[in-house]
Amino acid sequence: RKEVEQDPGPFNVPEGATVAFNCTYSNSASQSFFWYRQDCRKEPKLLMSVYSSGNEDGRFTAQLNRASQYISLLIRDSKLSDSATYLCVAVNTGTASKLTFGTGTRLQVTL
Amino acid sequence: DAGVTQSPTHLIKTRGQQVTLRCSPKSGHDTVSWYQQALGQGPQFIFQYYEEEERQRGNFPDRFSGHQFPNYSSELNVNALLLGDSALYLCASSPLDSYTEAFFGQGTRLTVV
Repeated sequence: RKEVEQDPGPFNVPEGATVAFNCTYSNSASQSFFWYRQDCRKEPKLLMSVYSSGNEDGRFTAQLNRASQYISLLIRDSKLSDSATYLCVAVNTGTASKLTFGTGTRLQVTL
Repeated sequence: DAGVTQSPTHLIKTRGQQVTLRCSPKSGHDTVSWYQQALGQGPQFIFQYYEEEERQRGNFPDRFSGHQFPNYSSELNVNALLLGDSALYLCASSPLDSYTEAFFGQGTRLTVV
């Protein structure tokens, strides 16, 4: 079983839609979590951190449920420019800042 | 600030050959990590360098080795290339243990034929 699991998608949604991505992690020692965005053939870029109390940045909301070992990302009012792969990341702070990535979920926003 | 730079951007090698990839970290960053991203997969951690020492290693064979220089730049070497080594190789730099400040380079796309 992979340490971080995501539905690979693709998720095809119309512009303006709300879309949610889910991610589960298996290592209970994981302490920090992030969502990264990766455009086609480009490097991953940090989108936002994920906290148990929830974290909102404009149209993006991230949530962590430690009891269920579950992370989510909600995108409201999708834009064409949101089309990308969204990577869920866990960090076990006992392993010197190694980022453990999920396989990524591909989002395609259409007109 | 040039950010993290990697070279070359693309590379084609033959099975059995050796390859060296290079990374210059973002200014002020002293830690360099390398990741392998196969097509359709997330990046997988190869190893991390700090103070010219390998600090941690992922589940990769000894064919994968690295080096960090006094100016914090780093190299990734892969010997005896296999077709399965074809991937995007990403370098990330950060201050030590500050993963929220990790920045990735644009990657080197390696194709083994």
